[in-house]
Amino acid sequence: EAGVAQSPRYKIIEKRQSVAFWCNPISGHATLYWYQQILGQGPKLLIQFQNNGVVDDSQLPKDRFSAERLKGVDSTLKIQPAKLEDSAVYLCASSLVAGNTDTQYFGPGTRLTVL
Amino acid sequence: DQQVKQNSPSLSVQEGRISILNCDYTNSMFDYFLWYKKYPAEGPTFLISISSIKDKNEDGRFTVFLNKSAKHLSLHIVPSQPGDSAVYFCAAKDEKLTFGTGTRLTIIP
Repeated sequence: EAGVAQSPRYKIIEKRQSVAFWCNPISGHATLYWYQQILGQGPKLLIQFQNNGVVDDSQLPKDRFSAERLKGVDSTLKIQPAKLEDSAVYLCASSLVAGNTDTQYFGPGTRLTVL
Repeated sequence: DQQVKQNSPSLSVQEGRISILNCDYTNSMFDYFLWYKKYPAEGPTFLISISSIKDKNEDGRFTVFLNKSAKHLSLHIVPSQPGDSAVYFCAAKDEKLTFGTGTRLTIIP
């Protein structure tokens, strides 16, 4: 079974530029998550999708971050414009459903450096 | 306000000995707890979990203990192996998953 795929793996941009990340979840997984992991911290949930609807985006900085999950499969996360403090690893995860005991499977992440 | 805390940033253990990783939480609404393991340049990988109605869950070399009154959980690895060297994240769930800051475990051959 293929895991969660993410691209690109690394991205370096200058502040005020735009960037987009792509995620392909495990086949059949209805729930998709985007996390931000800043160096030295644990992953922090940015947004959760159930199929193509948003379940929780309370911690997404909506003035600069946006995410979509068209057709309930792939998802993109965009930052526009980027700030220095956005430097982090962006992790995508998926789970079969959103039940409390449902395991989240993570992709390898995209490491973003904002200069 | 950090609701899940891992107070030891790093831990070194001799191969074959027991590794004990600790985690404390503050939110009494958490009802499901997990441990994830992370290697460099990879995403976190699920290791073991425990429901709040239990106080112990065992899977091979890995055992998780939950003390609800103390709001504390721990992960025991015995015997420790070199491949166990990684960063371990504790996570707790109410409506969403909240992660601790991680503990880097190094197994010394």
